[in-house]
Amino acid sequence: GDSVTQMEGPVTLSEEAFLTINCTYTATGYPSLFWYVQYPGEGLQLLLKATKADDKGSNKGFEATYRKETTSFHLEKGSVQVSDSAVYFCALSDGSNYQLIWGAGTKLIIKP
Amino acid sequence: NAGVMQNPRHLVRRRGQEARLRCSPMKGHSHVYWYRQLPEEGLKFMVYLQKENIIDESGMPKERFSAEFPKEGPSILRIQQVVRGDSAAYFCASSSTSGGNTGELFFGEGSRLTVL
Repeated sequence: GDSVTQMEGPVTLSEEAFLTINCTYTATGYPSLFWYVQYPGEGLQLLLKATKADDKGSNKGFEATYRKETTSFHLEKGSVQVSDSAVYFCALSDGSNYQLIWGAGTKLIIKP
Repeated sequence: NAGVMQNPRHLVRRRGQEARLRCSPMKGHSHVYWYRQLPEEGLKFMVYLQKENIIDESGMPKERFSAEFPKEGPSILRIQQVVRGDSAAYFCASSSTSGGNTGELFFGEGSRLTVL
């Protein structure tokens, strides 16, 4: 079945560092891909998405490119801030049903 | 702000008591999903409901757990005879269509259940 694999956390970086959180997937069709963010004590929020190969999703300085050849959707940000500390979830939808397939989440800690 | 509203935000129960968690979806949304999140873990799907119908409850334990989404009022997740292992954050999400088509789910802030 479909699955999503994220790099294990926590990921600890200093402020203004470059961020990459890896996400790879397996899917039989052509899924849509998503990154959600969960700030401490809050629910999840959709951060960005891409619906077809080579699409780039972007929001709040974060970017992710849908790479079909490597089945990846890595999350990047050029210069992180302390306020980016959160748990980031990668997810996919194959569009055939209601379920999203979730990665386990990656905790990001940014130190000032 | 007509976001997804969950209450209570925090609930403490003793073993054997009942926990009742409520979720009001975003205005105009008729699809509701419940997820459980254990400490330091990802989301686990529990149940998917539309108004007055349970569409998929495959992620919900067969015993002690039930969910409903009545024609009027919020969706309710009910846990009977709680045990310590039920301690978790329970998140509700809603969507205007079946979320898999767009992937865009709107989440509430969660209800954190602690069983003593």
